[in-house]
Amino acid sequence: GNSVTQMEGPVTLSEEAFLTINCTYTATGYPSLFWYVQYPGEGLQLLLKATKADDKGSNKGFEATYRKETTSFHLEKGSVQVSDSAVYFCALSGTSYSSASKIIFGSGTRLSIRP
Amino acid sequence: EAQVTQNPRYLITVTGKKLTVTCSQNMNHEYMSWYRQDPGLGLRQIYYSMNVEVTDKGDVPEGYKVSRKEKRNFPLILESPSPNQTSLYFCASSPEYTPGQGFYGYTFGSGTRLTVV
Repeated sequence: GNSVTQMEGPVTLSEEAFLTINCTYTATGYPSLFWYVQYPGEGLQLLLKATKADDKGSNKGFEATYRKETTSFHLEKGSVQVSDSAVYFCALSGTSYSSASKIIFGSGTRLSIRP
Repeated sequence: EAQVTQNPRYLITVTGKKLTVTCSQNMNHEYMSWYRQDPGLGLRQIYYSMNVEVTDKGDVPEGYKVSRKEKRNFPLILESPSPNQTSLYFCASSPEYTPGQGFYGYTFGSGTRLTVV
């Protein structure tokens, strides 16, 4: 079945450092891929998405590229801020009309940014 | 404001006492879903609904029921709660899947923290 594997945390960086959070997936067909962010005490917010190979999703300085050949969707940001401290989830959708809403999430990566 | 509203935010109950967590969305979304979040286990889908006529089990449906009588509402029902259902629950909604665009992505509510003693 479909699955998502993301790097374990916590990840601790200094402000303005470069961020990479790795995410790989297993799926048949072409799922949509997502990154969600969860701030303390809040629900998940959609950060970015990509729906087909070589698509790049971007939002708030974060980027991720849908790599079919390596089945990856790594999250990157060039210069992190303290306000980026949160838990980040990689996720994928099913590949058909009936399974599209069965979103599977990775285990989450906790990111802490030091001032 | 476009949002998914869950109630209550916090709930402590006793084993076996039936409870309902309400969920409502004001975005006219077709899809709705319930997830539970547990430390070390991440987010797991309980039930999902593609429209008012189609509801299906997710990965962990045991002990839960749902109802989609109206498009905007998707309550989660625990007929006889047990301590292993202590968790953080999220309701989510999304526009309809479009084959050329893929799944749009869920908008999540703020969560309901349930404790069953």
